[in-house]
Amino acid sequence: DTGVSQNPRHKITKRGQNVTFRCDPISEHNRLYWYRQTLGQGPEFLTYFQNEAQLEKSRLLSDRFSAERPKGSFSTLEIQRTEQGDSAMYLCASSRQSSTHYGYTFGSGTRLTVV
Amino acid sequence: GEDVEQSLFLSVREGDSSVINCTYTDSSSTYLYWYKQEPGAGLQLLTYIFSNMDMKQDQRLTVLLNKKDKHLSLRIADTQTGDSAIYFCADLKGNNNDMRFGAGTRLTVKP
Repeated sequence: DTGVSQNPRHKITKRGQNVTFRCDPISEHNRLYWYRQTLGQGPEFLTYFQNEAQLEKSRLLSDRFSAERPKGSFSTLEIQRTEQGDSAMYLCASSRQSSTHYGYTFGSGTRLTVV
Repeated sequence: GEDVEQSLFLSVREGDSSVINCTYTDSSSTYLYWYKQEPGAGLQLLTYIFSNMDMKQDQRLTVLLNKKDKHLSLRIADTQTGDSAIYFCADLKGNNNDMRFGAGTRLTVKP
């Protein structure tokens, strides 16, 4: 198992464009989480899935953000009409429901720069 | 306000011990974690402690938990230059749905 994989590693986009990121969790993990990390801050929770169901969304997740996990495996995070304030590192993490309390496993993140 | 607070910077000499401190506000936090982040990388889980424990030791790492004061610390013995990174404290409630992080402590190890 190669851990949690995120693609792309870096994305530069012009303001107003749409972007999509992908996360492949550890295969036996049924929970998947998206976090956003801005410079000098800790990760902030955006949303999480248990299998294919999106069970919780943060107020940080505006209408321009949408996340999916259609088959309960990989997930995508789309940002529409990007703004400069969306520039951040987007982190994905996964866990097994029965052992979530042992901690989440994070991917290396996708760094988004909106110019 | 912040649910999890950490001091922002710590500088030590190679070979010394490092102690990184964290306070949390939610008394229902059941699980607490320390993560390490190196430049441009994701978060690496270092260790965790459950709220029914006072101390946990794992090789060079010692975690102390004071539930009364809601204070968590991470001690790194014999600190090496490779330990230079940002260290995040995080907590998780019993519902396991929302791990919350502090702003991170940047540890610099000088040779």
